[in-house]
Amino acid sequence: EAGVAQSPRYKIIEKRQSVAFWCNPISGHATLYWYQQILGQGPKLLIQFQNNGVVDDSQLPKDRFSAERLKGVDSTLKIQPAKLEDSAVYLCASSLGERGTLDEQFFGPGTRLTVL
Amino acid sequence: LAKTTQPISMDSYEGQEVNITCSHNNIATNDYITWYQQFPSQGPRFIIQGYKTKVTNEVASLFIPADRKSSTLSLPRVSLSDTAVYYCLVGDWSNDMRFGAGTRLTVKP
Repeated sequence: EAGVAQSPRYKIIEKRQSVAFWCNPISGHATLYWYQQILGQGPKLLIQFQNNGVVDDSQLPKDRFSAERLKGVDSTLKIQPAKLEDSAVYLCASSLGERGTLDEQFFGPGTRLTVL
Repeated sequence: LAKTTQPISMDSYEGQEVNITCSHNNIATNDYITWYQQFPSQGPRFIIQGYKTKVTNEVASLFIPADRKSSTLSLPRVSLSDTAVYYCLVGDWSNDMRFGAGTRLTVKP
């Protein structure tokens, strides 16, 4: 079974530039998560999708971050414009998303973003 | 959301049993306890999940006392490859589980 795919693996940009990350979840997984992990900290949930609807985006800085999950499969996370403090690893995860159960999340390898 | 508290770091030696305890005093009735493991440059990986008493799988055991206000992840006979960060999460399917800072386990030869 293929895992969660993310691209690119690494990205270096200058502040105020824009950047986009792509995630392809495990086939059949209804729930998709985007996390931000700053060095030395645990992952912070940015947004959670159930199919193509947003379940939780309470910690997403909406003035600069946006995410979409068209057709309930792939997802993109965009930052525009980037700030120095956005330097982090951006992790995508997916789970079956069956209601009434607590699903195991499967994580991708992450995208390491460096903002100069 | 239930808040969790774990030790920041722990050291052990190869072949020893390691127990990592997580406190979650305000755990709710419907909450489950889940542990993840994260190696450097990788995403977290599910280890084990439980609701009460004891759960065991091929890699770990999870002990949960009757009051469920804490839980202990037990790793039998650790090896160098068990060096990682271990996260305790508490929640149910209807709310978010938040990752804390985790416990950095270092296994020495």
